[in-house]
Amino acid sequence: GQNIDQPTEMTATEGAIVQINCTYQTSGFNGLFWYQQHAGEAPTFLSYNVLDGLEEKGRFSSFLSRSKGYSYLLLKELQMKDSASYLCAVVNQAGTALIFGKGTTLSVSS
Amino acid sequence: GAGVSQSPSNKVTEKGKDVELRCDPISGHTALYWYRQSLGQGLEFLIYFQGNSAPDKSGLPSDRFSAERTGGSVSTLTIQRTQQEDSAVYLCASSRPGTQERDEQFFGPGTRLTVL
Repeated sequence: GQNIDQPTEMTATEGAIVQINCTYQTSGFNGLFWYQQHAGEAPTFLSYNVLDGLEEKGRFSSFLSRSKGYSYLLLKELQMKDSASYLCAVVNQAGTALIFGKGTTLSVSS
Repeated sequence: GAGVSQSPSNKVTEKGKDVELRCDPISGHTALYWYRQSLGQGLEFLIYFQGNSAPDKSGLPSDRFSAERTGGSVSTLTIQRTQQEDSAVYLCASSRPGTQERDEQFFGPGTRLTVL
C-alpha cells in the first residue's frame, strides 16, 4: 500500500522561512509533487521531484530523499498570501494517479 | 479561459437521488482524473481516463459511482442513489500527453456536493 504523512498545521510569521515535511511509504516510486491549495480553490502545482536533491524555484524549494522516503517543501520570505494548504502527493505505481497526503495548513501572520 | 472547468460549482441533493458532475479539461489534454476531497481528508483518487477509456477505475468507492468521457474531452461523473457520506468536493484534473508519471495535473475548481 501507499501512505503519505505530513503535519496537519503549521504557523509562521511574515518574512520567515518554513519547512513542511512529508514522508511516504510506497510500492515503487515514480515521483513526488507538491501542490498549493487556497481555501475553496483548486490545487495548483508547485514542484515535482523524481531524483534526489533540491529543486529551487524562486521563494519555494523542494527536496527529495528516495532512500529515506522523505521530502520537504521550503518556503522563504513568507508572505500573507502563502497562507494555504500544502499537499504532498506521490505518483502511484501504475503511473495513473496521484496519492495525496492530508495536507498541511500553513497560517502566516504579520 | 484555458483552465479546467467543472459544473455545477455547488450541488445540494437529497439522499437517494442521482447526480451528474461535469468536467471540461484543458484542450489537448488526453489524460483526465477525478478525485474527491472530504472534510479533513486528503484528495482521494477515483478514476483515470486516457482518451475515452478508463484504464484505472480502482478508486471508485462503490458501484453507485460511474464515469464516462466522450470525444476525448468532456467527462461526467455520475453518482446514483446518493448517500450522505458522498458529500465532498469532487475535483477533476487533466494533464498533457507525454511521460505519464511526470505530467503536471491541472485541477478544476471542483463541485461541492452536499447530500441531505
